[in-house]
Amino acid sequence: AQKVTQAQTEISVVEKEDVTLDCVYETRDTTYYLFWYKQPPSGELVFLIRRNSFDEQNEISGRYSWNFQKSTSSFNFTITASQVVDSAVYFCALSVVNNNDMRFGAGTRLTVKP
Amino acid sequence: DAGVIQSPRHEVTEMGQEVTLRCKPISGHDYLFWYRQTMMRGLELLIYFNNNVPIDDSGMPEDRFSAKMPNASFSTLKIQPSEPRDSAVYFCASSFGRFYNEQFFGPGTRLTVL
Repeated sequence: AQKVTQAQTEISVVEKEDVTLDCVYETRDTTYYLFWYKQPPSGELVFLIRRNSFDEQNEISGRYSWNFQKSTSSFNFTITASQVVDSAVYFCALSVVNNNDMRFGAGTRLTVKP
Repeated sequence: DAGVIQSPRHEVTEMGQEVTLRCKPISGHDYLFWYRQTMMRGLELLIYFNNNVPIDDSGMPEDRFSAKMPNASFSTLKIQPSEPRDSAVYFCASSFGRFYNEQFFGPGTRLTVL
């Protein structure tokens, strides 16, 4: 069975602090994709990144970076120099190719205070 | 493109009534997904379509739920009869090419069953 765990329910930081959101996944399949989505207060989920199981390269996009480690089954997301607009719920998700399953974690609510 | 369109945005109904939620995917997308989001269960995939054909409805909670996609630009999720425990935010999403590609979410329909 597939599972995604986001142990941090809520995180609160002050603007300009760096923050890391943790994501741990479980699957026995070797071919899968990992995602991060952002859900701002408006409610609509917004895609941030997709990573396949064969590509462990870390990725950086502006203030966002992602660290994928198969050895620990983790796909963590770091926001550098956080801003108030980063306040949202962030979801990690796992899609296993063999069974077309899509599992979301419970989400981490990030609050960035000015 | 206008993005994924859902209607209504809010629905309040009484237990036992029929509820129909509507979705218009992004033009050209061949995958359509229906999700339900609740505090207790998080974000759950209910059913998805590929080229208007339902592929996997294993996430549909019970027979009171049904979904259709009569053409590439329209899908409905129906609950009959509705119950208070169906209260949730229902999201429609669409993607192109592969199940595990980036999904574009609609704004959601907030359903309240009294």
